[in-house]
Amino acid sequence: QSALTQPASVSGSPGQSITISCSGTSSDVGGSNSVSWYQHHPGKAPKLMIYDVSNRPSGVSNRFSGSKSGNTASLTISGLQAEDEADYYCTSYTSSNFYVFGTGTEVTVL
Amino acid sequence: QVQLQQWGAGLLKPSETLSLTCAVYGGSFSGYYWSWIRQPPGKGLEWIGQIYHSGSTNYNPSLKSRVTISVDTSKNQLSLKLSSVTAADTAVYYCASHCSSTSCYYGFPIWGQGTMVTVSS
Repeated sequence: QSALTQPASVSGSPGQSITISCSGTSSDVGGSNSVSWYQHHPGKAPKLMIYDVSNRPSGVSNRFSGSKSGNTASLTISGLQAEDEADYYCTSYTSSNFYVFGTGTEVTVL
Repeated sequence: QVQLQQWGAGLLKPSETLSLTCAVYGGSFSGYYWSWIRQPPGKGLEWIGQIYHSGSTNYNPSLKSRVTISVDTSKNQLSLKLSSVTAADTAVYYCASHCSSTSCYYGFPIWGQGTMVTVSS
């Protein structure tokens, strides 16, 4: 099972919006609504930002939103802030009953 | 609020067995399910496997032959064993809950603090 494909890096200026893509197959991203997204600052545990494609857990800023089209899911960060600088990972449950993570995207705030 | 605290040996020699434990605090053990996830240095996250409170498991196919995840419901703990380790198993290992205090997800809302495991001769 291959990792889901994410861009290695995405950057934006404060206040701008950026979108991170997560490409998979019909056996994972395209086959269910089990895509979730994580923010990971080095040295800390990852933080759940989006679950079930587009839902935010309590306490997560509404600047973070998720969507999906076909076999590709996306995370959009609007009103980019310095604190958003981190690594971001998508994950999806698969039709074979295991999870696969994305390759990870480094977000840089210029 | 559910909290996870994990521990285990941080330095192993090749061919030894990695053993980590994760204690669950502040939540109901029954009805929950958990995963182990790792991150090698400089690389991305990798899902290792999952266990339900009943003991039912699912494993990453690439690790399935070497992984055992188990639960001890009397202690509210889960454990990970990975046999025949090599340098490629060097990573930060996390336990994670699929359930917060209120809901369960196809995802990981609660994480342990992480344990660095190094495999070196």
